[in-house]
Formats: sequence, C-alpha cells, structure tokens
Amino acid sequence: AQSVTQLDSQVPVFEEAPVELRCNYSSSVSVYLFWYVQYPNQGLQLLLKYLSGSTLVKGINGFEAEFNKSQTSFHLRKPSVHISDTAEYFCAVSDTNAGKSTFGDGTTLTVKP
Amino acid sequence: DAGVTQSPTHLIKTRGQQVTLRCSPKSGHDTVSWYQQALGQGPQFIFQYYEEEERQRGNFPDRFSGHQFPNYSSELNVNALLLGDSALYLCASSISGAGNTIYFGEGSWLTVV
Repeated sequence: AQSVTQLDSQVPVFEEAPVELRCNYSSSVSVYLFWYVQYPNQGLQLLLKYLSGSTLVKGINGFEAEFNKSQTSFHLRKPSVHISDTAEYFCAVSDTNAGKSTFGDGTTLTVKP
Repeated sequence: DAGVTQSPTHLIKTRGQQVTLRCSPKSGHDTVSWYQQALGQGPQFIFQYYEEEERQRGNFPDRFSGHQFPNYSSELNVNALLLGDSALYLCASSISGAGNTIYFGEGSWLTVV
C-alpha cells in the first residue's frame, strides 16, 4: 500500500519570498512522484514529476522538487513566489501504473502582497 | 488539441437517485481513470479503464461502476446516491505505460440533496 503525507495544510507567504511545500511518502515498491496544482474550480495540472535519474526535478512556473529516497520525501520549492501561485498543491505517488495515483490531502499556498 | 473533457460540469441529485458522468480523453490516450475529490481533500482513486476493461479499482462500493467505449471515452455511474457522494469527480486520461503523464479534466461537481 502507498500513502502520502503533506506536512503543512496551509502555507502563507509574502510575494517574492521563497517557499517549500513538504511531502513524505511510503511505499513498498519503486514509485513515481508527482506534484499537481489546482486553481479554484479547476482540475489538476501537473507541475513536475520524478520517474528516475536526477533527484532534482524542474517543472513549470519556476517550481522544482528534490527526491530523497532515504528520507522518503519529495519537497516542492520555488525561490520567489508570485500572487498567481496562490492555489492548492497536491503531492502524489504512483506505482508502475501511471493511472492509479495516491494523493495527499493538499497544501493551500496563499501568497500575500 | 482538446484536453480531457467532462460533462456535465455541475449537477444536483436527490438521495437514492442514479447519476452518469461522462469523460472524453485527450486525443491519443487509451487509459481513463476516475477520481473522487471531496471538499478539502485530495482525489481518491475510484477505478481505471483500459481496452474497455476495468483494470484497477480503489476502495469504492459496487454502487460505483463504469464503462469504457471503443473510442476510449468513459462513463462513471453511481447508483443509490448518498449525501456523502457529494464531491468533485475527476476524469484523468493517459497513454498506457509506466510513468506516462496523466491529464485531468476540470471535473463534474455532484451535489446530493
């Protein structure tokens, strides 16, 4: 069985400040890891994914994440946030079947002016 | 190129009724997954269809059933609706294979009264 824990339910941050959204996972098999963003009343959009190779993954909108196998973590970072980054962020883990993903409960990122 | 499209976008049903939600996958995608997202929670995997067969299923009762058509579009049916079935239902499509990106539709909001 797989599980995902997003350690912060809400993260308030000022515009242009750096941000880190934390995600831990558990799985008995090799996994693929994903971060999605969900804007109000919309579906989920993929920010980035880790499949294999380099543990530092770069995604869209200036986001990046680092896969740490020993700590079973996949934290999302951005060096300077914008008001438009205000949204819900979900971390997800998938087994060899990319369609079945297990999601965390989400982190609400609020960027304040 | 149209992405994943879902219909209807919003609907209200009464307890005990039945509902059918529809999904057209992204062009070229052969795999469709359905997720339920309750308010304030992450998406929960319901089931996945590939080649018109249910390939995987999450922890949902038999009241939840689905179908995939030869053109890869899919339906989600829920019978004997309960108040707790009120949620955003998300369809996701992908190309079968490990690590392939899944694309989400904007969802169908179901309210059971």
